[in-house]
Order: sequence, then structure tokens, then C-alpha cells
Amino acid sequence: EVVMTQSPATLSVSPGERATLSCRASQSVSNNLLWYQQKPGQSPRCLIFGASTRATGIPARFSGSGSGTEFTLTISSLQSEDFAVYYCLEHSGWPYTFGQGTKLEIK
Amino acid sequence: EVQLVESGGGLVQPGGSLRLSCAASGFTFSDVWMDWVRQTPGKGLEWVGRIRTQTDGGTADYAAPVKGRFVISRDDSKNTLFLVMNSLKTEDTALYYCRVWINNSDYWGQGTLVTVSS
Repeated sequence: EVVMTQSPATLSVSPGERATLSCRASQSVSNNLLWYQQKPGQSPRCLIFGASTRATGIPARFSGSGSGTEFTLTISSLQSEDFAVYYCLEHSGWPYTFGQGTKLEIK
Repeated sequence: EVQLVESGGGLVQPGGSLRLSCAASGFTFSDVWMDWVRQTPGKGLEWVGRIRTQTDGGTADYAAPVKGRFVISRDDSKNTLFLVMNSLKTEDTALYYCRVWINNSDYWGQGTLVTVSS
């Protein structure tokens, strides 16, 4: 089973600034990686698939990069609605595994 | 519009059983693989299992913590996904979601809460 490790656990950033979230896989997952955003009381929403492709309707300020074992989600200019918990998910094989999440909070 | 609506959650004693349902609409249910995912405050998000289309064999895969206790099935005539949970443990307490990936888009239901407690 692939272990996904996200860092940091909590990230404090001011609105308008850039946020960089990391996800590391215990073995190569190629580009089989998704990023999710989850707000309180809501289901997860996919932001990025294929490590770097924005899902339909996702603003351009969200970008994903990486391949193999190291991945990054960047939010270029934080808006108030972006403060949430972010998860990475690898689906290179079975079982699929999530990271433990990064909570993005307002500084 | 794709919609997934879970139901069947509730309070059950350890060792008991429960059947969850997920009613799907807005897409050709028989053409897609379906998933169950759960979420707990302590362990976060966890993929429970997935079921293939009948064309792909109709079989299911399970995460290790539920293998042998949970069974995923589907009724394509009713556009419904099922999760039968047996020998429930307190650690199975979670919000259970059904999920589908269609045309590079990801859809989740609102979840149904399962509480395993005496």
C-alpha cells in the first residue's frame, strides 16, 4: 500500500498571498494523483487530476505539479473561500490512499 | 445533472450489520465503476471499495480493514449501489460516501452516517 504524506499539517496564510501544499508518496505513483478541497459540512471536491490538470470549473489560481513521489498544490492568490482542508489521493493501484490532509487557515 | 444520494446509515451495535444504498441519476449507471469512501475525524478519508461494471466483470475490490466483512454490489436496473456491512466494529463509525468518476469529473454524495456503539 502506498503511503501518502502531506505537509504541513496546518498552513497559515494571509488572503492574497500564495499557498504551497506538498504531498509525498512512499513509492512512485506516476501522475496518478488528485487533489481535493473539503469545507466543513461538505463532501470533498476534486480540484486537480492527473497531478496537474484542473477539474472542470476550478479557478486558474489552483495549479498542481509533480510526478513520481513529489507533488505540489499551489494556490496563487488566496481568496476567502479557499480556506479549507486539502487532501491528495493516489490511485496508481489498489487500494487508493489519501494523505492525512493540510488545513489551510487564515493568518 | 449527476446526483448521488446515500441512505441507510444509523446506529448499530458492535457485531451488527447494516446496508447502505446509493441512488444514482444523471448518467448511465451501468457504464461506470462505483466507489465507497468513508471519513472519520480520527483517520480522515479512506477508500472502502469499488465495483466494476458488468462489462468489466462486476467484481469488487476492498480495503484491507473491511475485506471479508463488507460487500459491495450494484443493481443496474435500479441505478443503485449497495454496501452491506457485517461484523461491524466501533472503528467502522464514519460518514460513508458513494463516489463516481465520469468524463474527468468527480461526483460525491452527501454521505450517510454510520455509528457503531453499544
